[in-house]
Amino acid sequence: DAGITQSPRYKITETGRQVTLMCHQTWSHSYMFWYRQDLGHGLRLIYYSAAADITDKGEVPDGYVVSRSKTENFPLTLESATRSQTSVYFCASSESLSTWSTDTQYFGPGTRLTVL
Amino acid sequence: SQQGEEDPQALSIQEGENATMNCSYKTSINNLQWYRQNSGRGLVHLILIRSNEREKHSGRLRVTLDTSKKSSSLLITASRAADTASYFCATDALHTGNQFYFGTGTSLTVIP
Repeated sequence: DAGITQSPRYKITETGRQVTLMCHQTWSHSYMFWYRQDLGHGLRLIYYSAAADITDKGEVPDGYVVSRSKTENFPLTLESATRSQTSVYFCASSESLSTWSTDTQYFGPGTRLTVL
Repeated sequence: SQQGEEDPQALSIQEGENATMNCSYKTSINNLQWYRQNSGRGLVHLILIRSNEREKHSGRLRVTLDTSKKSSSLLITASRAADTASYFCATDALHTGNQFYFGTGTSLTVIP
């Protein structure tokens, strides 16, 4: 089915471990985003990508790494997970427009990550 | 931070009543969007209003934007139990390119 999917939906890991969250979209949207959602903070942008092989930092990038070798995939890696990275992570995508911020973002269902 | 703030944080109303929630932001914007999030789900886009617009309608939704006060409101008329969700405003920032900021959300409960 078309859409944007995330995996895994739930993940429990331990401090110091590397974790990769996957995001896949079938629309061939140029832009993809990673957000984290925490109580009291709303959604905060971690990283975004304007196209394959083009990524840029958002508001809270520290401790995270992204890559985008293919348009449809945008994995997020926590190189050494910390408890403060316990959160719900959302991936989103949007079409490329001349003023991208006017475009609707389509969100995945989220990944709930717990770091013990 | 450009992050918007919604007010109130939580709102509980009876079915059929109108629900109003507000969003304030800090710096000049190009556009403001409202999203809805049902419990345990991702966000769904509701409506976009551009900085040169003052009011916009979509079905039972009415959005206003006052750029002089750096605020927006979302009105849901004739609410239904299915409108129970969290509502977020999202803004870009006029001079910071691709940053995109969400507020902290208003949790709306519509009682049948």
